[in-house]
Amino acid sequence: GENVEQHPSTLSVQEGDSAVIKCTYSDSASNYFPWYKQELGKGPQLIIDIRSNVGEKKDQRIAVTLNKTAKHFSLHITETQPEDSAVYFCAAGGSQGNLIFGKGTKLSVKP
Amino acid sequence: EAQVTQNPRYLITVTGKKLTVTCSQNMNHEYMSWYRQDPGLGLRQIYYSMNVEVTDKGDVPEGYKVSRKEKRNFPLILESPSPNQTSLYFCASSLSSHTLGQPQHFGDGTRLSIL
Repeated sequence: GENVEQHPSTLSVQEGDSAVIKCTYSDSASNYFPWYKQELGKGPQLIIDIRSNVGEKKDQRIAVTLNKTAKHFSLHITETQPEDSAVYFCAAGGSQGNLIFGKGTKLSVKP
Repeated sequence: EAQVTQNPRYLITVTGKKLTVTCSQNMNHEYMSWYRQDPGLGLRQIYYSMNVEVTDKGDVPEGYKVSRKEKRNFPLILESPSPNQTSLYFCASSLSSHTLGQPQHFGDGTRLSIL
């Protein structure tokens, strides 16, 4: 079935460093790739998304890149801050009209 | 304020006692979905609905029921809850299905404990 692999499962960085989270997907028909941030006690919140006709998208300190040939996409956070600490999920828009989520990455930013 | 509202936020109950978790959205969204979140497993889809009176199974539908009689509401029903349904549940909605690339808006979750 459709699958999304996410790595790493945990990531610890020093404040000010960059963080990169990578995902691969199996369904070549996927055309929508959102990233969600989940803080403790809250539901996931969309932070950035990209569609298959675009290779890269940036929003301030956050950027996402997509390689459709290799079926992988990545989240890049620059100049990390303690408030970036959270669990991040990638997802791929499946051919069935639903979203398939990765298992999540727990990011810790140390002051 | 645009939001997805789930109730209750927390529930401790016993095996076999029917329960319903309500979900309501005020954004006139067509697509609604239920997920469960378990440690190490991420978010897994239980059921989804593309529009009123249209529902489909997700990846883990066993033991759950849903209904979509109105556009704004999408309740999750556990007819005979069992301990393996202890989990954190999220309802989400989006303007339309993801073949059109629409972001999903999530509620704040319902933590269910089945003893």
